[in-house]
Amino acid sequence: QLHLQESGPGLVKPLETLSLICTVSGGSINSPNHYWGWIRQPPGKGLEWIGSIYYSGSTYYNPSLKSRVTISIDTSKNQFSLNLRSVTAADTAVYFCARDESLGEFDSWGQGTLVTVSS
Amino acid sequence: QSVLTQPPSVSAAPGQKVTISCSGSSSNVANNYVSWSQQLPGTAPKLLIYDDDKRPSGIPDRFSGSKSGTSATLGITGLQTGDEADYYCGTWDSSLSAVVFGGGTKLTVL
Repeated sequence: QLHLQESGPGLVKPLETLSLICTVSGGSINSPNHYWGWIRQPPGKGLEWIGSIYYSGSTYYNPSLKSRVTISIDTSKNQFSLNLRSVTAADTAVYFCARDESLGEFDSWGQGTLVTVSS
Repeated sequence: QSVLTQPPSVSAAPGQKVTISCSGSSSNVANNYVSWSQQLPGTAPKLLIYDDDKRPSGIPDRFSGSKSGTSATLGITGLQTGDEADYYCGTWDSSLSAVVFGGGTKLTVL
C-alpha cells in the first residue's frame, strides 16, 4: 500500500525558504502513470494546489505561487521536495504531499505537516 | 475567491440523501475530469470520486458523482454521522494551466 510522509521544519522565519520533503514508500515514484503534488491548507481554510511534478522532472505550478516555488524529484531516493522562497505569515499552513493521478485527482495523501511562518 | 463554487454548508438527517454542487466554467469542469475528496476533521483529504463519476476501490456506493455542462454534483445517500466532513471538488483548469479546488462544503448530519 502506498504511503507518503512529509518531513521538514515546522517553523520558518519570514523571508526565508520553506523546504519540505515527501518520502514515498510502497510504490515507485519513477512511474509514467502518475504525477506527484503538493497542496496546502491554511488554518481553517480550504485546499490550495501548489504544484505537481512528473517522474521525468516536468513541473506544473500554481500561477499565483510560481515565482517562489520549486518542486524537484529524486527517483533514487523515492522522494520529491518543495521549496517556497521568501515566505510570509500568509504561507502558514498544513502542507500535504500527494500522488496526483492526472493533474488534479489526488488518490493518495500524506498526513500533512504544519508549517508556521514566524520570527 | 475559489475558481470552483461550492455551497459553504449542507445538512441533512441520518439516513437521508444530500447533494453538493460544484460550479465552474468551460475551461475547467465542462472539459476536464472532476474529482471529489472528503476531509474528516484533523485528517488528510481522501479521494471519493474521480473521472467525474468513478469510485476508488473501497469507497461505498453511497457516494456518487455526476456532471452536466459546467456543474458537477456529489451525492451521498444513507447519511451517517461518520459522513460529517468537509468535501472538496477539484479539476484541471485549461486556461489557468492549474489545478483548481472548490472552497469546500461542510456537511452536517443532524
